[in-house]
This record gives sequence, C-alpha cells and structure tokens, in this order.
Amino acid sequence: AQRVTQPEKLLSVFKGAPVELKCNYSYSGSPELFWYVQYSRQRLQLLLRHISRESIKGFTADLNKGETSFHLKKPFAQEEDSAMYYCALPSITGANSKLTFGKGITLSVRP
Amino acid sequence: DVKVTQSSRYLVKRTGEKVFLECVQDMDHENMFWYRQDPGLGLRLIYFSYDVKMKEKGDIPEGYSVSREKKERFSLILESASTNQTSMYLCASSLKATRPFRELFFGEGSRLTVL
Repeated sequence: AQRVTQPEKLLSVFKGAPVELKCNYSYSGSPELFWYVQYSRQRLQLLLRHISRESIKGFTADLNKGETSFHLKKPFAQEEDSAMYYCALPSITGANSKLTFGKGITLSVRP
Repeated sequence: DVKVTQSSRYLVKRTGEKVFLECVQDMDHENMFWYRQDPGLGLRLIYFSYDVKMKEKGDIPEGYSVSREKKERFSLILESASTNQTSMYLCASSLKATRPFRELFFGEGSRLTVL
C-alpha cells in the first residue's frame, strides 16, 4: 500500500541554520511526490513537486529511490519559513487518483 | 486565480445534529476532495469525487456522506454529529489527471466543534 511517513513532528532551528524535513514513502512503481505548506492563518498550498525539479523559496527536494525518501531542504532558514509542512503521494485507483498526506511537521525558525 | 470557497469558517453543533459543510470551486475542476486535519494525524481523506454524482470513499468515510449535484459544488454531510468529529475540515479541488497528478487547491477550512 502507498504510504508517506514524516518521522518528526517538530523541527526548531535558528534563523540562518540549515533545514531538512524528512519524508519517506512506500510505493510500488515510479512515484510522484509533493510538498505542501500551510503558513499561519493561510490555506494549504503546493510548495513543490519532484517532477518540476525546481527550487521554491530556497527549498529543494530530491527523490532518492534507493532510500525511498523525498526530504525537503533549505540551506539557510528564514523566520518566514515557519509553517506546517506536509509530504504527499498520489495513489491511483482505477481511472482516478487521490493524494495521501503524511502527518506533517511544524517548522519553527527562531530569530 | 483558483478559488475554493468553504461557506462556513466556524461552526458549533450539538451531538446528534445534522451538519452540512459546503464547498464551491470556480475553476471547472473535475476532482473535489474532503479532508479532515487533526494535530498529530495530518490530513486524512474522507471522500472524493471525480465527476458530478460520482463519489469514492477515502480513508475515513465512516460517519460522513457527500453530495455532488453540480460540478462546482461538493458537500460534506454529518448525519449525526459526534464529539469525535470535532476537527478542521478542508475542501480541495483539482483537474482530473492521473499522470502527472495535478495540484490540489484548498479552501480556507471549516472548523467544526461538536459539543
């Protein structure tokens, strides 16, 4: 069964420190993976997807099929990065698909 | 700009009441979803719909039903609310495609408290 695991609930760092938010997945086949973010008092929104291979707000995520991971990284955290982050994996059922989310991690960046 | 609108931001209901949560999207998306968001449990899919009058159960459908009579509107119904349904409910929509999977656009959420 497809599954997404975010092993940590909270990561607290100082401004300027590197950040790595962990995500591991279980999927048979070639997965698509996403990171969604929810800032305080805002709606949940897409941060980045692995097929785009782009950097958004300084964040990157590399799909590592050997380790079945899709960790989100940023070299220098900013206070405005404080938010809830969710890793997500689509699963296809017949002609339809749905998105399964991990339990999320709260990132707190202290000044 | 995609807009997903949830009609009620905050609701307080009593145990046993019937509750309707409404969601409307304005981008002609085929897929619509209802999730609940709980601290420590993340987002869990309740139901989703890929077309008008079509629905599929998600991971936690018990105690819920849905209605999709028009493409733009997806309703979540709690037939008899219970305290364990106190939660934040998120509606989302997307274009229908399996590969690549399309971005989900979320509403602001409906916070339901059942007393």
